[in-house]
Amino acid sequence: DIQMTQSPSSLSASVGDRVTITCRASQGISNYLAWYQQKPGKVPKLLIYAASTLQSGVPSRFSGSGSGTDFTLTISSLQPEDVATYYCQKYNSALTFGPGTKVDIK
Amino acid sequence: EVQLVESGGGLVQPGGSLRLSCAASGFTFSSYSMNWVRQAPGKGLEWVSYISSSSSTIYYADSVKGRFTISRDNAKNSLYLQMNSLRAEDTAVYYCLDSDLELGWGQGTLVTVSS
Repeated sequence: DIQMTQSPSSLSASVGDRVTITCRASQGISNYLAWYQQKPGKVPKLLIYAASTLQSGVPSRFSGSGSGTDFTLTISSLQPEDVATYYCQKYNSALTFGPGTKVDIK
Repeated sequence: EVQLVESGGGLVQPGGSLRLSCAASGFTFSSYSMNWVRQAPGKGLEWVSYISSSSSTIYYADSVKGRFTISRDNAKNSLYLQMNSLRAEDTAVYYCLDSDLELGWGQGTLVTVSS
């Protein structure tokens, strides 16, 4: 089974900071990697799929990169509304999620 | 409009059973591989089970293997999860999702396992 890990597990940054979250797959998954944002009490929101393709309507400050086993989600300029937990997910066939990264404002 | 509507959740005692359903509409259900995913209160997202479009391939997470059974009825545009021998740790909101991430998320159905 493919396992997904994320780092850090939480982070605190200032408004306007560049934030990077890393996701690693235990074996190669090509670019079948998605990123979700989840706010308390809400259904997860798809931000990025195919490792780097921005979902329609998602602000351009979000970007993704990587292929194979190592992936990153970058928020170029952190905004107050970005406070949430972020999950990476391997897809295409069974879905596997990373443990999540909680982002808040310093 | 694409819709996935989960139902069948509720309160059940440990050791009990429940059958969840996911009603699909607005797309060709038979073309999509599907999954059940869950989220326990205050916890992360956990994949539970996968079924291919024709039901020929099925996978389970180790945490539910031998207790849960996934199935689908393409004629009824429906996905199911039969949950037996339920444990407190199965308490979660359960969602159905497609493997290609094209269809979005429903609102989920809450399963509470408690005496």
